[in-house]
Amino acid sequence: EVQLVESGGGLVQPGGSLRLSCVVSGFTFSSHEMNWVRQAPGKGLEWVSYISTSSITIYYADSVKGRFTISRDNAKNSLYLQMNSLSAEDTAVYYCARRGAPAGTDYFYYYMDVWGKGTTVTVSS
Amino acid sequence: DIQMTQSPSSLSASVGDRVTITCRASQGISNFLAWFQQKPGKAPKSLIYAASSLQSGVPSKFSGSGSGTDFTLTISSLQPEDFATYYCQQYYTYPLTFGQGTRLEIK
Repeated sequence: EVQLVESGGGLVQPGGSLRLSCVVSGFTFSSHEMNWVRQAPGKGLEWVSYISTSSITIYYADSVKGRFTISRDNAKNSLYLQMNSLSAEDTAVYYCARRGAPAGTDYFYYYMDVWGKGTTVTVSS
Repeated sequence: DIQMTQSPSSLSASVGDRVTITCRASQGISNFLAWFQQKPGKAPKSLIYAASSLQSGVPSKFSGSGSGTDFTLTISSLQPEDFATYYCQQYYTYPLTFGQGTRLEIK
């Protein structure tokens, strides 16, 4: 069974840091690009960051650029999000999501097909 | 950035109804569009990708169509478990962007 399990969320003061992890199982992690997506309380979904299979290509949303760092360890089947200089606007549930699709799908149509259950980050004094 | 606009923002329907949700992109995205379902307190669940392809395990009551800038998600024969919030998302280019969501409620 394909599984993505996030951890590392919690309560942090404004200006603080937190490192989220996403451990995956049930598929070949090193073959899949990955994303982080967040959802503020009562709000919609916001894409945060993307990383390619070999970590060569990385993208960030403007709202987190310069403060967040995405990384991965293919040997550990793990994805990470280092979050610095946190503010109340970063309060959200953070999801990791695999880029994939059903077998036989053209790679160009791969999308965020499998999501973890999320980990909650609260930034408050 | 590509803006995604869904309509309506909320929708009331009855069990057994057929409903359609619309998603419009601010520029052409070919058919690089996905639809997700989200229930309260749960992670989003993928339904449709490439505008009209059904994700494995998703019932055929869900269907998608469109290309370019205009897309639709249709859900037929609504059941209690279908009442949720639905999001469209473009993956034509980064930054990936979502619609604001459509909340489907029981009438």
